[in-house]
Amino acid sequence: SQQGEEDPQALSIQEGENATMNCSYKTSINNLQWYRQNSGRGLVHLILIRSNEREKHSGRLRVTLDTSKKSSSLLITASRAADTASYFCATDPNTGNQFYFGTGTSLTVIP
Amino acid sequence: GAVVSQHPSWVICKSGTSVKIECRSLDFQATTMFWYRQFPKQSLMLMATSNEGSKATYEQGVEKDKFLINHASLTLSTLTVTSAHPEDSSFYICSADFYYGYTFGSGTRLTVV
Repeated sequence: SQQGEEDPQALSIQEGENATMNCSYKTSINNLQWYRQNSGRGLVHLILIRSNEREKHSGRLRVTLDTSKKSSSLLITASRAADTASYFCATDPNTGNQFYFGTGTSLTVIP
Repeated sequence: GAVVSQHPSWVICKSGTSVKIECRSLDFQATTMFWYRQFPKQSLMLMATSNEGSKATYEQGVEKDKFLINHASLTLSTLTVTSAHPEDSSFYICSADFYYGYTFGSGTRLTVV
């Protein structure tokens, strides 16, 4: 399987703390995306980082990409209870037609 | 564990024909599956939520008569694109919920010519 892997599988933190999630993948990519999904709801696109970028920011989100290690991280700063959700990375390989999603990290932010 | 098999991975069809995409949970039972669509350079968009044994719930703007969803068993959901047109060309992906999260199929690239 070319599915990416994320860790940790589950993460529980206190409100105000930072949350870091990691994603590893197996093949060369064009870009990597992070998505969020609230329980029972559809995916929400958070951020896209291209293979020639190393870091990207969007509000309280910071994404890094290390293509040499085939890994990415998502940092959520100053977490809020509303950030409680599952977070997925998705890679767009530069061969083939398919997107590959990570297994997801379930984040719980305790008020 | 928790693998979802989606096929075909890609399909080319003629305008006016129908195409069926299958999403199968291999080692768990999925009472709920989700179908997404993604146009080039855009985010995945939820089309519908498929519930085993009942009618699917469609998102606003998604034509239920055009995108037929059937979830007749706990391991299989199908999406049929009826009377496909070139504007239906897109990437379709399913996901299923299981005990501790969600898992995704690898997607289907549909091209309507």
